[in-house]
Amino acid sequence: NAGVTQTPKFRILKIGQSMTLQCAQDMNHNYMYWYRQDPGMGLKLIYYSVGAGITDKGEVPNGYNVSRSTTEDFPLRLELAAPSQTSVYFCASSYGQETQYFGPGTRLLVL
Amino acid sequence: GDSVTQMEGPVTLSEEAFLTINCTYTATGYPSLFWYVQYPGEGLQLLLKATKADDKGSNKGFEATYRKETTSFHLEKGSVQVSDSAVYFCALREDSNYQLIWGAGTKLIIKP
Repeated sequence: NAGVTQTPKFRILKIGQSMTLQCAQDMNHNYMYWYRQDPGMGLKLIYYSVGAGITDKGEVPNGYNVSRSTTEDFPLRLELAAPSQTSVYFCASSYGQETQYFGPGTRLLVL
Repeated sequence: GDSVTQMEGPVTLSEEAFLTINCTYTATGYPSLFWYVQYPGEGLQLLLKATKADDKGSNKGFEATYRKETTSFHLEKGSVQVSDSAVYFCALREDSNYQLIWGAGTKLIIKP
């Protein structure tokens, strides 16, 4: 099993550009999550989904959008990149409230 | 609101030394407590957990005991190895909630 996969590993964006961070899981988990990790800080929840077609905001959703058209995929969209969105982004999945499994992360730099 | 506080890193130790990484929490209810580890270039993975007071979680030689009286969940290992070098995250989750609340992480460096 691949587990949770994320692409790309690293990306540089200019201010105002848009991009989609991809996340996929092959464990048939119903819950999926997007976090960001800033230096010296804990992970902050951006968005989560409890199943296909259902998404909800986490702690820091501003500037992001998500969709969940399938159980496997949970892409995160940045529409107008800002320097404040420079961070490391982690996708995770779980079966209900059981253990969360994480992807390797995407490092994003906005200049 | 709920929060988790970890000791700042990096923590640098020699191989075979005793390790303690402190973690304290504030919570309104009766949370489950977790330690996750992130090895270089990899995603976070669950190291151990405890779901009620006085429970001890253990894995790979690491242990942590859920102490309600001191609201703590300190991570310990008797003899660290170079391969334990990683970032360690403490987290909590209230029973009524799916959301994990995270500490800032503690970087551990083990020198041979």
